[in-house]
Amino acid sequence: QQQVKQSPQSLIVQKGGISIINCAYENTAFDYFPWYQQFPGKGPALLIAIRPDVSEKKEGRFTISFNKSAKQFSLHIMDSQPGDSATYFCAASMRGGGNKLTFGTGTQLKVEL
Amino acid sequence: GAVVSQHPSWVICKSGTSVKIECRSLDFQATTMFWYRQFPKQSLMLMATSNEGSKATYEQGVEKDKFLINHASLTLSTLTVTSAHPEDSSFYICSASRGGSDTQYFGPGTRLTVL
Repeated sequence: QQQVKQSPQSLIVQKGGISIINCAYENTAFDYFPWYQQFPGKGPALLIAIRPDVSEKKEGRFTISFNKSAKQFSLHIMDSQPGDSATYFCAASMRGGGNKLTFGTGTQLKVEL
Repeated sequence: GAVVSQHPSWVICKSGTSVKIECRSLDFQATTMFWYRQFPKQSLMLMATSNEGSKATYEQGVEKDKFLINHASLTLSTLTVTSAHPEDSSFYICSASRGGSDTQYFGPGTRLTVL
């Protein structure tokens, strides 16, 4: 019930294209859903986050779509660039759980020229 | 704002020695800090949660006597890997959050290699 399932495991997108990464969760008590970007040998960096009372949030080229009834959320990267090549993790947490993050398994994104 | 640093960034030690890793929140007070472990091409695995001034809470399967965590101030937490063995070689990452916030800011990580 604590798992967050993430897909795909890897993704190759052409420069300028849209990258889409999906996550699904089971625990309806989760109330905070962040996405992190991680480059090799570095710590994760917070990209964007959403709460269940909002269906979509956009920050620059990054958009989270949230479907509460389906218990799914996704990250869209518009106009993907080679510099976006990294591993992306979705995560979920709940206030009642001490704000501990449960991470997805990660998606390795490669943006080709 | 919300910068977290770790020191050292990488460390190599001999089997049986202890290694201390520091995690600092540079521009905010972190009431809660978290320690993670990450193996190559895998996700982050939470090891423990520490709140300033109290004992750390360890996740199931994490040996608290092997991974000593101290959160002595609102800006500093330390992880000591005691009697390290090659299987402890990993990427250790800390994160910090402000009081009342569910946002975690991550440090750059520490690569530990035990020979």
